[in-house]
Amino acid sequence: GDSVTQMEGPVTLSEEAFLTINCTYTATGYPSLFWYVQYPGEGLQLLLKATKADDKGSNKGFEATYRKETTSFHLEKGSVQVSDSAVYFCALSDEGSGNTGKLIFGQGTTLQVKP
Amino acid sequence: KAGVTQTPRYLIKTRGQQVTLSCSPISGHRSVSWYQQTPGQGLQFLFEYFSETQRNKGNFPGRFSGRQFSNSRSEMNVSTLELGDSALYLCASSTGVKTNEKLFFGSGTQLSVL
Repeated sequence: GDSVTQMEGPVTLSEEAFLTINCTYTATGYPSLFWYVQYPGEGLQLLLKATKADDKGSNKGFEATYRKETTSFHLEKGSVQVSDSAVYFCALSDEGSGNTGKLIFGQGTTLQVKP
Repeated sequence: KAGVTQTPRYLIKTRGQQVTLSCSPISGHRSVSWYQQTPGQGLQFLFEYFSETQRNKGNFPGRFSGRQFSNSRSEMNVSTLELGDSALYLCASSTGVKTNEKLFFGSGTQLSVL
């Protein structure tokens, strides 16, 4: 079945460092890809998405490009801030089910940014 | 606009008991999905309800069930609780009519089974 694999964390960076969180996927069809973020004590929030190959999603300085040839959707940010400390989840839509509410998530990557 | 509301925030139960969790979606949203989040298994899809009908289900045993009311509020029930059911249960809402739609998540119900 479809699956998502993320790099294991935690990832610890100093403020203003460059961030990359790797995400690769396995899917039989042409899924849409998402990055969600979970701040402590809160639910998940959509950070960005891409719905087809070569699309780039971006939001709040974060970017990710849908690479069909490498089945990847790596998250990047040029300069992280302490406020970016959170857990980041890569996810794909289960288009085979024809529904909107079912996502397949990676294990999550904890990011800690130190001042 | 109020967000997705889940109640209660915390629950402590013992093995063998049953539990009911509640989720109120954003006004106008007709789809409610439920997820289980654990450190070992991550986020796993339980089921989705749309207009009072279950339209997709994950790979969980029949002890996990849900329903949706005419006002789109949803409940999930877990019967005969096991220690392994300890988890954060998240619900998410959306309009349910568009593909690749953003899901709005609640803060979750933290269930501890002793």
